[in-house]
Amino acid sequence: SQTIHQWPATLVQPVGSPLSLECTVEGTSNPNLYWYRQAAGRGLQLLFYSVGIGQISSEVPQNLSASRPQDRQFILSSKKLLLSDSGFYLCAWSVMEGGEQFFGPGTRLTVL
Amino acid sequence: GENVEQHPSTLSVQEGDSAVIKCTYSDSASNYFPWYKQELGKGPQLIIDIRSNVGEKKDQRIAVTLNKTAKHFSLHITETQPEDSAVYFCAASNSSASKIIFGSGTRLSIRP
Repeated sequence: SQTIHQWPATLVQPVGSPLSLECTVEGTSNPNLYWYRQAAGRGLQLLFYSVGIGQISSEVPQNLSASRPQDRQFILSSKKLLLSDSGFYLCAWSVMEGGEQFFGPGTRLTVL
Repeated sequence: GENVEQHPSTLSVQEGDSAVIKCTYSDSASNYFPWYKQELGKGPQLIIDIRSNVGEKKDQRIAVTLNKTAKHFSLHITETQPEDSAVYFCAASNSSASKIIFGSGTRLSIRP
């Protein structure tokens, strides 16, 4: 069966520090991968998606970047965090474009 | 592009009563409509979905209806229980799109 992992589960970082969040998927090949951010009490904002290794589409211009160094690994990064980067970051995968997505457990990021 | 609107934003029902959440979409090409349940501090979980070739789908206490002409779909939860308390998201996509579009979410509270 397929599983999706995210780490860390929680993170507290100072403003201006770098960020690296990791997402890995097991049990499937060539998944579509997605990064979402969820502000407290709010909906899901799509940040990036990838349909293959090295292929990244950005939805919202911002302080973040994404990379896909391996087929089942998706990384969200920032060189310098802003207070507004605080939120709940969710990784998701799907077998096909436009199909059902399966979410990871999320990373709660607090920028102080 | 696709736009999904979800109502209400909050809903409180007595335990045992029914709850209904409604969504509308804008893109007539959308053909896949999933519903997700998100419990506090966790990633969203797919609870039921429907494709455009059917008008209704049921899974125990949960049902989803789709009206393609009016471009709206609804989630129905019968005999609500305390564990139904969560945030629910609707979404829409079509098979040629790389992503699915989420509604803004409904916070459902079940009163004991």
